[in-house]
Amino acid sequence: DIVMTQSPDSLAVSLGERATINCKSSQSVLYSSNNKNYLGWYQQKPGQPPKLLIYWASTRESGVPDRFSGSGSGTDFTLTISSLQAEDVAVYYCQQYYSTPHSFGQGTKLEIK
Amino acid sequence: EVQLLESGGGLVQPGGSLRLSCAASGFSFSSYAMSWVRQAPGKGLEWVSGISGSGGSTYYADSVKGRFTISRDNSKNTLYLQMNSLRAEDTAVYYCAKRDDSSGSRGGKLDYWGQGTLVTVSS
Repeated sequence: DIVMTQSPDSLAVSLGERATINCKSSQSVLYSSNNKNYLGWYQQKPGQPPKLLIYWASTRESGVPDRFSGSGSGTDFTLTISSLQAEDVAVYYCQQYYSTPHSFGQGTKLEIK
Repeated sequence: EVQLLESGGGLVQPGGSLRLSCAASGFSFSSYAMSWVRQAPGKGLEWVSGISGSGGSTYYADSVKGRFTISRDNSKNTLYLQMNSLRAEDTAVYYCAKRDDSSGSRGGKLDYWGQGTLVTVSS
């Protein structure tokens, strides 16, 4: 099974500053046949279900603000929020969908400093 | 508009059974794989199970294998999770989620989620 590990567990960033969350997989999630990384990022606010932000490691879901971006390949990935807004306070999860079980990282709690 | 509505949660004793349902609308249900994801109180997300659009392929986390059964009725646009031999550690909010592809262990992103249904396993 693929284990997903996020860092840090929590993060406090000032409004307007950059926030960076890392995700590492225990095996590569890059599929050589189509050169796609089977990695997604989700945002979960209190009392709400998760919301898809990024898929294929770097493709922004429709309607997601462009301050959110994803990067990385193989086993190392990053979610970046370029200019933190108050509404971005949430827990962020990465998930691999390369092979079942489609495991999630443990989550990163993002707060305002 | 895609909608997913879970039901069937509640309080059950250890060793008991429960069946969750997820009523889907707003998309061609049989064309898409579906998943169940759970979240224990105050904890992170845990992928539980998945099923192909046809229902012919199913997948489980080791933590539920042999106890939970995922199924779907494409004529009713409904996804199910039959949960047997429930344990205290199965206590969680259970979400159903739509995948953006039809099948396979190498699957797609979870692009729509329901609001979840709470399962509490306690005596």
